[in-house]
Order: sequence, then C-alpha cells, then structure tokens
Amino acid sequence: QQPVQSPQAVILREGEDAVINCSSSKALYSVHWYRQKHGEAPVFLMILLKGGEQKGHEKISASFNEKKQQSSLYLTASQLSYSGTYFCGTEKSGTASKLTFGTGTRLQVTL
Amino acid sequence: EAGVAQSPRYKIIEKRQSVAFWCNPISGHATLYWYQQILGQGPKLLIQFQNNGVVDDSQLPKDRFSAERLKGVDSTLKIQPAKLEDSAVYLCASSPGIAGYNEQFFGPGTRLTVL
Repeated sequence: QQPVQSPQAVILREGEDAVINCSSSKALYSVHWYRQKHGEAPVFLMILLKGGEQKGHEKISASFNEKKQQSSLYLTASQLSYSGTYFCGTEKSGTASKLTFGTGTRLQVTL
Repeated sequence: EAGVAQSPRYKIIEKRQSVAFWCNPISGHATLYWYQQILGQGPKLLIQFQNNGVVDDSQLPKDRFSAERLKGVDSTLKIQPAKLEDSAVYLCASSPGIAGYNEQFFGPGTRLTVL
C-alpha cells in the first residue's frame, strides 16, 4: 500500500522552513527520501533505517518514528534550489529493498 | 563515475505497437530496477533484478510487459502491445546491493507517449 505524504503542496519564501510527512500503514524497515525536479530523474537525499538515528544532509534532515510508521523531512532555511517534488520511499521488512513511493509533495520556493 | 544511462529519451507510438527501452546501470551495481512513473504520481516498481535474476516482478503486467537483464549488466524492458494507459516515464535505477540501506541511482528516464 502506497505511503501517504502531507502536505500535497507547499509554497515557501526563501529562508523559511518546511516539514514534509510520510505515513505508512505497514511496519517499515527503512524510509528513503528523494527529490525530483520537473522533467528530471529523482535524486537521493537520505535513508533512515529502523533503529537508526536522525540523518542530515546540509540543511535537510529527517526523522523516523518506527512505532508510528512515520517519517518527517525537515527543510531549514529553504533555498530556491529546494524546489521540486519530494517523494518518500518505504521499505517493508523482508522485501529486499523494494521501495514503495509515496504520493509526493510539491515544494515551491519563491523569492 | 558515469551515471545510469537510458535510451531512447522519448518515444511516441500508436496503441498496439511494440516498444523497447534500454538501460545501462552504474558499473558494478548488482541491483537494477525498472519503474513506471505516471504524470503527477510517484514511481511504481515494475521489476527488480539482482544480477541477472528477478527478485520482484509482482507489479509487472506480464501479459504485455517483459524485461531481461542479460549477463547481469544491461537491461531491456519491452511492451507488446502498448495501450494508451502505458503513457508514462519509464525510469531505470541501480544500486550497489540489495539491502535497504543502499540508495538508488536513477537514470534520466524514457518518456513514452501512446497515441
């Protein structure tokens, strides 16, 4: 079953913060986050593993709540380059890295 | 290091025709994935290979789609015959291993339009 992301879309001014959520109804082994710009391939941001800690990438960090099967992506002091669609990909235990991608969150950063 | 290569980048065909896509993964990557991404949606896994063996093809419409990965390197995805609903971007991705902590590297995709 496809994970649900929220919000569906968000518009930010440069320098503002945003949080994107990803929820699954299944027990998860890992959560992957990708960003896709219009007409381009998805680009990897980070992976969070069950039992792992919060991971960071520059001003983008994420958390993984195993009990709630939820992950959140935190974008701090957003830049114009952060614009794009963000997808979480969830991996269930025992599925050999098969990812099910979420519904996507469209982020637009403006001046 | 060279990324994942795909060809063609664009393809327009009429329904009931056949089409094939090619993917060359990053050198040394054991796992190869084919995804279908319909406009406005997230990528949907069609098939996953580990070397030249199929790990998961549960979402591959096997009556019309087929894929192979000869010698555990390049891969081709074929659709025969195509339907209107097959219009999508077909993404190929590769990763070093099969474990969940491996990131997937995506190619530029092939945009298929079925008329």
